[in-house]
Amino acid sequence: GESVGLHLPTLSVQEGDNSIINCAYSNSASDYFIWYKQESGKGPQFIIDIRSNMDKRQGQRVTVLLNKTVKHLSLQIAATQPGDSAVYFCAEKGGNTGKLIFGQGTTLQVKP
Amino acid sequence: KAGVTQTPRYLIKTRGQQVTLSCSPISGHRSVSWYQQTPGQGLQFLFEYFSETQRNKGNFPGRFSGRQFSNSRSEMNVSTLELGDSALYLCASSLRGTGYTSYNSPLHFGNGTRLTVT
Repeated sequence: GESVGLHLPTLSVQEGDNSIINCAYSNSASDYFIWYKQESGKGPQFIIDIRSNMDKRQGQRVTVLLNKTVKHLSLQIAATQPGDSAVYFCAEKGGNTGKLIFGQGTTLQVKP
Repeated sequence: KAGVTQTPRYLIKTRGQQVTLSCSPISGHRSVSWYQQTPGQGLQFLFEYFSETQRNKGNFPGRFSGRQFSNSRSEMNVSTLELGDSALYLCASSLRGTGYTSYNSPLHFGNGTRLTVT
């Protein structure tokens, strides 16, 4: 069945370091991927998205990489800050289905 | 521009009761989706509405229903509540809906309604 999995449940980094959060997906027909950040007590907040016809997309301090060969997605955060501490979710959308399939989430802890 | 607004923020109900949750999407957004979030199951898709029509539905029992009004506001109803329905219910809106290529039209979430069933 469809699934989106995250390799690590918790990632701990030092403030100022770069963070890499990984995600594996199983549906090769998925054509759109998205990363969300969820802070305690809030809903998921959009970070960045990417279509399957791209392999890299950059935002402010964030980069998403897509490797369709191995069905892998990653989120890179440059110069990680304490405010980046949150749970990060990847999600995929397959074809014309109307739903996003979310991974279980990775907790990012930033140490001062 | 105001974000997605969900009311109420917290609800406590007892088993067997029913509950209605409300969602106001971002102005101009015509698609509203609902998700259930629990520690064990993560984020699970409930349904999506576009222009007052349910376009997609997840794998939830018929006790979960929803509707969308002409102003794109949406409500979700859960009847005959069970303990397992305790969760954070999230509403999300987008410009065109996730059934289409959603590039530059991502899903924007509200802060959710925390439902506790006792």
